Amino acid sequence: GDSVTQTEGQVTVSESKSLIINCTYSTTSIAYPNLFWYVRYPGEGLQLLLKVITAGQKGSSRGFEATYNKETTSFHLQKASVQESDSAVYYCALGDPPNYNVLYFGSGTKLTVEP
Amino acid sequence: DMKVTQMPRYLIKRMGENVLLECGQDMSHETMYWYRQDPGLGLQLIYISYDVDSNSEGDIPKGYRVSRKKREHFSLILDSAKTNQTSVYFCASSSGTGGYAEQFFGPGTRLTVL
Repeated sequence: GDSVTQTEGQVTVSESKSLIINCTYSTTSIAYPNLFWYVRYPGEGLQLLLKVITAGQKGSSRGFEATYNKETTSFHLQKASVQESDSAVYYCALGDPPNYNVLYFGSGTKLTVEP
Repeated sequence: DMKVTQMPRYLIKRMGENVLLECGQDMSHETMYWYRQDPGLGLQLIYISYDVDSNSEGDIPKGYRVSRKKREHFSLILDSAKTNQTSVYFCASSSGTGGYAEQFFGPGTRLTVL
């Protein structure tokens, strides 16, 4: 079946430093999956941060970027300079066409940005 | 204001009691979801509803049932709760159009079964 792995449960970064949150995926489908990053701020529901549906492409939003790498089956999230307001839990997710309603989520990475 | 609400936010029940978790959305989305998340695991899909009275099992439906009598409202029911159903439950909705539609999530309900 499909699965998503986020190896870091928690990450702490100082403000203005760079960030990378790792995500790898596995799928048994012959089609390339669609990949997503969702973010959950304290007290709120998950919200879509960015998505990429084509292998080799990069998605970006709010200063975050992620590149869909089908060779390494990875979709790492990066930001050049984090802010305190970026403190949240970040979830990587995969969707396999044509079942467009089903997403498979990683376990989440809690980011704490220190002042 | 696009919103998914969940009630209650926190709930403590004893083993064997019935549990009702409620979810509402104000976006007229056709599709709604119930997930649970346990420590160290990703969100797991319990049930998906494609519209009123059109529900399908997700990956972990055992021990749960759902009800959707109005498009804006989706309930998750645990008949005779078990301690291994202690978890955080998330409801979500999406517009259900072709291709991947963004899922909008509620803030979650933390359920503890003693």
